[in-house]
Amino acid sequence: DGGITQSPKYLFRKEGQNVTLSCEQNLNHDAMYWYRQDPGQGLRLIYYSQIVNDFQKGDIAEGYSVSREKKESFPLTVTSAQKNPTAFYLCASSIGTGATSTDTQYFGPGTRLTVL
Amino acid sequence: AQSVAQPEDQVNVAEGNPLTVKCTYSVSGNPYLFWYVQYPNRGLQFLLKYITGDNLVKGSYGFEAEFNKSQTSFHLKKPSALVSDSALYFCAVRPNYQLIWGAGTKLIIKP
Repeated sequence: DGGITQSPKYLFRKEGQNVTLSCEQNLNHDAMYWYRQDPGQGLRLIYYSQIVNDFQKGDIAEGYSVSREKKESFPLTVTSAQKNPTAFYLCASSIGTGATSTDTQYFGPGTRLTVL
Repeated sequence: AQSVAQPEDQVNVAEGNPLTVKCTYSVSGNPYLFWYVQYPNRGLQFLLKYITGDNLVKGSYGFEAEFNKSQTSFHLKKPSALVSDSALYFCAVRPNYQLIWGAGTKLIIKP
């Protein structure tokens, strides 16, 4: 899992609540990513950020929000607008995201979110 | 639409036998290709990647993968399986700035 930490490991949310998942990296990587993993499916990109104070929507951004105020941190908020938030959430980082980059993405240990 | 297929949901192999986990893709251009492994309730660990050059790529834990451009495949292999190789394996393809992921293959190595 390298130098990427995610907290908490397990998170329980009541319907209608917003929750924030933490992701921190000490790899000095410029790019950071949030993925959602559901059983039997590949990873789906929620948001990504190439640089501080900038981020872009991925394939399934609805109901989620992010911020990138520091290079090391990329928190994800799961809002009440996300209708089916129960999933395993993975944060990743890479040196960069340029179109021709060969950079490898390195992953944190994940946060399992359950809606009660 | 661009896609990555891992045609087997599960692969069962006896310990000591060779293993293959299959991956095929349908993307434009010359993508970069990756394999990751995931142990239960853990994040993904990078195994290996193909960028260019030799079609046989060697990676971590004795794994290797063979790139076949004509068949658009990137199969993961290991000559002799270990019980500890049991995990979920993901193939990913990067045609541009974004990774496209396969659904994963569960590898079970039986003693």
